[in-house]
Amino acid sequence: GDSVTQMEGPVTLSEEAFLTINCTYTATGYPSLFWYVQYPGEGLQLLLKATKADDKGSNKGFEATYRKETTSFHLEKGSVQVSDSAVYFCASGFGNEKLTFGTGTRLTIIP
Amino acid sequence: EPEVTQTPSHQVTQMGQEVILRCVPISNHLYFYWYRQILGQKVEFLVSFYNNEISEKSEIFDDQFSVERPDGSNFTLKIRSTKLEDSAMYFCASSEAEGLGKLFFGSGTQLSVL
Repeated sequence: GDSVTQMEGPVTLSEEAFLTINCTYTATGYPSLFWYVQYPGEGLQLLLKATKADDKGSNKGFEATYRKETTSFHLEKGSVQVSDSAVYFCASGFGNEKLTFGTGTRLTIIP
Repeated sequence: EPEVTQTPSHQVTQMGQEVILRCVPISNHLYFYWYRQILGQKVEFLVSFYNNEISEKSEIFDDQFSVERPDGSNFTLKIRSTKLEDSAMYFCASSEAEGLGKLFFGSGTQLSVL
């Protein structure tokens, strides 16, 4: 079946560091890909998405590019802030909102 | 900004008891979902609900589970006879339309079955 594998956490970085959180997927066909973020005490919220190969999703300084050849959708940010501390979830789906999620990666940014 | 509200935030119950987890989706949304995450594992889809009926459910969503939208605002998940392995964080979500991948999630109910 479909699955999403993402980088094990937790990840701890200093402010202004470069962030990469790896995500790979397996699916029959070409799903849409998503990154969701969960800030402390809140629900998951959509951060960015890409619907086809080579699409780049971006939001709040975060980017991820849909790479069909490597079945990947790695999340990157050039300079992280303390406010980026959260749990990040990679997910895939075929448009019916039955999303397949990874385990989540807890990110902590130290001032 | 409108949000999905879940109550309670924590629920402790004895094995074999019934529990009802409550959610108030965003008011103009039409599609509703339950997901869960067992500690250390992936967030898993349980069920989707549209037009007052289940549109899809996973293998996890067996006869012990049911969902209901009793009054046009609440969306509930009932577990009839809880098992230890039902302990998890349960997330409710809603969306305005299908195909956008934009789910709005609540902050979850942590269910502990003892």
